[in-house]
Amino acid sequence: GAVVSQHPSWVICKSGTSVKIECRSLDFQATTMFWYRQFPKQSLMLMATSNEGSKATYEQGVEKDKFLINHASLTLSTLTVTSAHPEDSSFYICSARDLAGANYEQYFGPGTRLTVT
Amino acid sequence: QKEVEQDPGPLSVPEGAIVSLNCTYSNSAFQYFMWYRQYSRKGPELLMYTYSSGNKEDGRFTAQVDKSSKYISLFIRDSQPSDSATYLCAMSANGNNRLAFGKGNQVVVIP
Repeated sequence: GAVVSQHPSWVICKSGTSVKIECRSLDFQATTMFWYRQFPKQSLMLMATSNEGSKATYEQGVEKDKFLINHASLTLSTLTVTSAHPEDSSFYICSARDLAGANYEQYFGPGTRLTVT
Repeated sequence: QKEVEQDPGPLSVPEGAIVSLNCTYSNSAFQYFMWYRQYSRKGPELLMYTYSSGNKEDGRFTAQVDKSSKYISLFIRDSQPSDSATYLCAMSANGNNRLAFGKGNQVVVIP
């Protein structure tokens, strides 16, 4: 089955520093990857849609200069949280759409828990 | 009004009972309907997918979509403790687009 990995699985950083989260599709190619944020007992909120080789499309209210997304290859997208603050602490989840699969299929990574102190 | 409404629960049932979950939505353009299961501190995994209206059955799971009422359901028969998780409904207009998620419904199956 399609596998998506994320690295790191959890990270603790100090306020003001930047954190990079990687999302990889391990056994399929993904032209489109999605980045979500999930607060405790809340649903997934789409932050941005990342397309390989082009700029990401951000959802309303998401600061593109704070959450930098790079989708450099068909198997890797990165999310960098710049100048992180405690309110950025959350569970960040990526998903990837299989280039060769059905349009609706998105495979989710295991998530990255970010804690900003 | 939110695009997708889902009662977050929690819902506790005894082992072997039928679990009934549902979502309502407001966007009539939605055509792809999905149910995801999410265990604590893990990413969601796709459980069921339905296109447009109708029913779909997969083992102990049955998904129903009623587009006229903008209402979707998931039924879990013979529930097991391993079914304890959060179940999220999700939907999109054309499959290429962003998924709109419900809040998730926490289910606890008591042995």
